[in-house]
Amino acid sequence: AQSVSQHNHHVILSEAASLELGCNYSYGGTVNLFWYVQYPGQHLQLLLKYFSGDPLVKGIKGFEAEFIKSKFSFNLRKPSVQWSDTAEYFCAANSNSGYALNFGKGTSLLVTP
Amino acid sequence: KAGVTQTPRYLIKTRGQQVTLSCSPISGHRSVSWYQQTPGQGLQFLFEYFSETQRNKGNFPGRFSGRQFSNSRSEMNVSTLELGDSALYLCASSLITGVQETQYFGPGTRLLVL
Repeated sequence: AQSVSQHNHHVILSEAASLELGCNYSYGGTVNLFWYVQYPGQHLQLLLKYFSGDPLVKGIKGFEAEFIKSKFSFNLRKPSVQWSDTAEYFCAANSNSGYALNFGKGTSLLVTP
Repeated sequence: KAGVTQTPRYLIKTRGQQVTLSCSPISGHRSVSWYQQTPGQGLQFLFEYFSETQRNKGNFPGRFSGRQFSNSRSEMNVSTLELGDSALYLCASSLITGVQETQYFGPGTRLLVL
């Protein structure tokens, strides 16, 4: 079955620390990948997306993700987090045979000053 | 451009009642999708409409239904509400239907069933 899994449910970091959130997917064929962020009290916003091409994609607010096909992974990274990055992060995927986004359970990130 | 808007933002209903939620997509977007978000199940796809036709459907009972109007606005209806229907219902829109499309989400309608 098609699925998306996120390794860490809760992450706590100090400001300026580096961030890496894990995401693995289980899809046959072509997969499209997304990272969304949900800040407290706000709606889901797109951070970045991968459809094809360069496997290293850059998104908003200094985030990037790398698509590694051999590992079925699409990990999210940021070199130096800020307190304002405190939010819930969702990895999502769909395939070229299905429009519906399949979401991971989310990772709650808390950045402490 | 205005984002996806959803009304109402909060709703309290009792078991057995029915509820209708509304979604207005981003101007020019023709595809509207609905998702249910709960702490236990996370985000789950309900259905997607394009040009007033349901194109995709998730694994939810028939009590969940929707429709799309000619102006792309969409409504979602849940009949015979159950306690487990308490959730945040999110609407997302995209320009056209298709897999390499970005879906933009609204703020959601938080439904509480008592």
